[in-house]
Amino acid sequence: EDQVTQSPEALRLQEGESSSLNCSYTVSGLRGLFWYRQDPGKGPEFLFTLYSAGEEKEKERLKATLTKKESFLHITAPKPEDSATYLCAVQRAQKLVFGQGTRLTINP
Amino acid sequence: NAGVMQNPRHLVRRRGQEARLRCSPMKGHSHVYWYRQLPEEGLKFMVYLQKENIIDESGMPKERFSAEFPKEGPSILRIQQVVRGDSAAYFCASSEGQIGETQYFGPGTRLLVL
Repeated sequence: EDQVTQSPEALRLQEGESSSLNCSYTVSGLRGLFWYRQDPGKGPEFLFTLYSAGEEKEKERLKATLTKKESFLHITAPKPEDSATYLCAVQRAQKLVFGQGTRLTINP
Repeated sequence: NAGVMQNPRHLVRRRGQEARLRCSPMKGHSHVYWYRQLPEEGLKFMVYLQKENIIDESGMPKERFSAEFPKEGPSILRIQQVVRGDSAAYFCASSEGQIGETQYFGPGTRLLVL
């Protein structure tokens, strides 16, 4: 059965303190791994798509990487506005299978 | 370029009533997906539709729930005879193609059943 596990569940950092979020997955026939950001009361906002092991993508303070079994979302020198829940999802056929998310809080 | 639109944003229903949730995909997108987010749970796939066709409804409860995406107009998720357990956030997403294509999400409809 397809499974996506994100860790940690919650993470508190000080502004400027870099860290990484983990997404472990098991899926047959991975079509893509997606990272989204979700703010309270809003819909998921697309960040990155990764398709093959070794692939990396960057956007501002975020960098996503992919191996055959997991993906990391690295956040460098975060700011308070980076506080959100970060969701990882794998695509199996046409549906997305989501993890539970990591709730990230950046303290000023 | 307008994103995915959903309405209403908030919906309150009493047990036994019907709930209708609407979704207009992004311009140029012909693939629509519905997901449900129960309190303290992750997003779960419900149904995937193209114009006038239900492609995959494997995540949809067998009873009381139905979805459509007519040739003209928005996609509709319909819940008949709502129960308290239906209280959740319902999100619609759309994509230009299917496999491997990014799904863009709307703001969601928050359904509260009293």
